[in-house]
Amino acid sequence: GQQLNQSPQSMFIQEGEDVSMNCTSSSIFNTWLWYKQDPGEGPVLLIALYKAGELTSNGRLTAQFGITRKDSFLNISASIPSDVGIYFCAGQRAGSYQLTFGKGTKLSVIP
Amino acid sequence: DSGVTQTPKHLITATGQRVTLRCSPRSGDLSVYWYQQSLDQGLQFLIQYYNGEERAKGNILERFSAQQFPDLHSELNLSSLELGDSALYFCASNRGGGSTDTQYFGPGTRLTVL
Repeated sequence: GQQLNQSPQSMFIQEGEDVSMNCTSSSIFNTWLWYKQDPGEGPVLLIALYKAGELTSNGRLTAQFGITRKDSFLNISASIPSDVGIYFCAGQRAGSYQLTFGKGTKLSVIP
Repeated sequence: DSGVTQTPKHLITATGQRVTLRCSPRSGDLSVYWYQQSLDQGLQFLIQYYNGEERAKGNILERFSAQQFPDLHSELNLSSLELGDSALYFCASNRGGGSTDTQYFGPGTRLTVL
């Protein structure tokens, strides 16, 4: 099935550093979502974006809905060890209940 | 805790067998979604039910079927299992009244087919 192109696939960063990851698609989405998945758990919603150009923050996390509606990025500032996990982007088309997921970015934080 | 429950947490079975995965949505949610997560394919949408009726179908194999019961819990049935069916299976739920409703995911069932 179709998936979003999410990059990078994995990242190793020092505690305190900022992190940036993004998702691109060849088609338009009306909603962009960012989830985090911890080992042995289901994905947990971090940020939801509903309008092109929208910039939304959730604590140290900031995400933006690309102006073309074909991309989104997630920034994490001042990373901490508990930020470790897999981050997924997901897109949703207008009138559709189905989510299309990226393959995830695995984040490792070195204390 | 998302409020979505899934059982069992782990399931180990043999090729050719049939298994049933169960999901209870959050209180008040009418819509249930099933996803498969494998290492090579990532998270793939399988099927959605809303208030007992099938609403959308994704990449679900013919060997797989699902249903949603009057009490809104859902079951995913996987039959004639193959090695490649080994994966994490997630259920998610939302109110289902609008397409932008947040989907809340359960903890998943890890299926291992030997």
